[in-house]
Amino acid sequence: SQTIHQWPATLVQPVGSPLSLECTVEGTSNPNLYWYRQAAGRGLQLLFYSVGIGQISSEVPQNLSASRPQDRQFILSSKKLLLSDSGFYLCAWTAGTSIQETQYFGPGTRLLVL
Amino acid sequence: AQKITQTQPGMFVQEKEAVTLDCTYDTSDPSYGLFWYKQPSSGEMIFLIYQGSYDQQNATEGRYSLNFQKARKSANLVISASQLGDSAMYFCAMREGGSQGNLIFGKGTKLSVKP
Repeated sequence: SQTIHQWPATLVQPVGSPLSLECTVEGTSNPNLYWYRQAAGRGLQLLFYSVGIGQISSEVPQNLSASRPQDRQFILSSKKLLLSDSGFYLCAWTAGTSIQETQYFGPGTRLLVL
Repeated sequence: AQKITQTQPGMFVQEKEAVTLDCTYDTSDPSYGLFWYKQPSSGEMIFLIYQGSYDQQNATEGRYSLNFQKARKSANLVISASQLGDSAMYFCAMREGGSQGNLIFGKGTKLSVKP
């Protein structure tokens, strides 16, 4: 069966520090991968998605970036964190892009920027 | 304009009763899928149920059913026989046919089940 991992689970970082969040998927190959951010008490905002190694699409301009160095690995990064980057970051995967493909989510990373 | 609208920020329901969570959507794409997710306080997003735009029948999954009214562009989630463990945030989401599999989420409804 497929599983999706995210780490770290929680992170407290000072403003201006770098960020690296990692997501890995097991039990499938060539998944579509997604990074979402959820502000406190709000819905999910799509940040990036990837349909293959090295292929990244950005949905929202920001100081974050994403990379996909391996088929089942998706990384979210920042060179200098802002206070507004605080939130709950969720990674998700699907097997394809058809409308009925269920999107499965990882456990998330809670980021607090101080 | 919002593509997914959930008008109920919070709902209360008595244990063992049924509850309906509202969701309306906006799309001009004839092919789309609608999803409901549950998010407990732990934060994980749990897939509950799916309805395709071409599906003739309303989707059901155990105690969850989807009241799909295509002409009204609504896809309400019905939870029957509510349990205390149903207390959580519930999100409605849509995927359009022309997308790269991206989901568009509503702002969610917080459901509280009272004993």
